[in-house]
Amino acid sequence: QKEVEQNSGPLSVPEGAIASLNCTYSDRGSQSFFWYRQYSGKSPELIMSIYSNGDKEDGRFTAQLNKASQYVSLLIRDSQPSDSATYLCAVNRPSMDSNYQLIWGAGTKLIIKP
Amino acid sequence: NAGVTQTPKFRILKIGQSMTLQCAQDMNHNYMYWYRQDPGMGLKLIYYSVGAGITDKGEVPNGYNVSRSTTEDFPLRLELAAPSQTSVYFCASRLLRDTEAFFGQGTRLTVV
Repeated sequence: QKEVEQNSGPLSVPEGAIASLNCTYSDRGSQSFFWYRQYSGKSPELIMSIYSNGDKEDGRFTAQLNKASQYVSLLIRDSQPSDSATYLCAVNRPSMDSNYQLIWGAGTKLIIKP
Repeated sequence: NAGVTQTPKFRILKIGQSMTLQCAQDMNHNYMYWYRQDPGMGLKLIYYSVGAGITDKGEVPNGYNVSRSTTEDFPLRLELAAPSQTSVYFCASRLLRDTEAFFGQGTRLTVV
């Protein structure tokens, strides 16, 4: 079992609809969670970070965290063709050297259809 | 602020050659990372550093070496390049152990 799991997709969503991306993780000690967007041939760029249970909204994006169920999700409202990209979930979990390691999901490819 | 800067952007190496991928950040971040990303795959950690003078192996360190003599720079050395090292390499940094990471533009390396 992978430490961070995402559906690889592709997830196809009509323009203007809500895109819902999910991520589950295995380490209950994980403390912080991040969503990145990666366009083809480009580097990952941060969309949202979330540290506490519940929802966090930023513009059209909402991150949701449920530590009890060990999942984090990203909702994109009013989806635009420019949102078409691969979305990476990253989970910060404690490591043996008293630091934290970022563990990455393989990403979900999102396609917004005009 | 330039953020995280990687050089070169592209490179073709012959089997057995060596090279250094450069990474520099100007955000005074303590933590720095090297990842590789193969087509259609996720990020795999090669090496990381929690501060100047401190480095440690990630999940795929074989064939690579790093050093961290300053806070700003974290070069990745490839010795005896092999076709299996054909990949896109990303350098990233973050201020604290639980904050977000920022990425460089990447280096696309092909070994032939």
